[in-house]
Amino acid sequence: EILMTQSPVTLSVSPGEGATLSCKASQNINTYLAWYQHKPGQAPRLLIHGASTRATGTPARFSGSGSGTEFTLTISSLQSEDFAVYYCQQYNDWHPYTFGQGTKVEVK
Amino acid sequence: QVQLRESGPGLMRPSGTLSLTCVVSGGSITSASHWWSWVRQSPGKGLEWIGEVHQTGTTNYNPSLKSRVAISFDKSKNQFFLKMYTVTAADTALYYCARRARAAARQAWFDSWGQGLLVTVSS
Repeated sequence: EILMTQSPVTLSVSPGEGATLSCKASQNINTYLAWYQHKPGQAPRLLIHGASTRATGTPARFSGSGSGTEFTLTISSLQSEDFAVYYCQQYNDWHPYTFGQGTKVEVK
Repeated sequence: QVQLRESGPGLMRPSGTLSLTCVVSGGSITSASHWWSWVRQSPGKGLEWIGEVHQTGTTNYNPSLKSRVAISFDKSKNQFFLKMYTVTAADTALYYCARRARAAARQAWFDSWGQGLLVTVSS
């Protein structure tokens, strides 16, 4: 099983500031990585797939990068609606698909 | 736009069988382009993929749960199902159904999710 490790666990950011979230895989997953945004009581929302391809409707302030074992989600200027928990997911290996533990982006 | 909605019991007794339904609207589960998954989130923990089904009847399961779960579908109702046997308190979680965006291997991101259903296992 591929272990996905996200850091930090919590990120405190002021609105308008940028945020950088990290996701590391325990083995090479090429660019088979997705990012999701999750707010309490709501369905998780796909933001990024293929490590850097924005999903339909994802604002341009969200960008993904990385390959191999290290990946980054960058939010260039946080809006009020961006405060949420963010998960990464690998799909290089379906035995099983695995997610990170999440990074909570909270208001500073 | 496809929408998914989970339904089932909110409370289960230990050793029972959990049965959940995912109702799909705005899209067909008979589409060859997608797989249909179940994902759960235990309290204070991250997301755990349970398994998936394709309209061909092919299923894939998380090895850690494979011995206790079964995923199936009903084309006529445009629904798919999760059965989890011999549940324990460790199966208490928020259960989501989700659509895998593409059928091809290594295109397994999830582009549509239900809002989730909390299932508590307690005596």
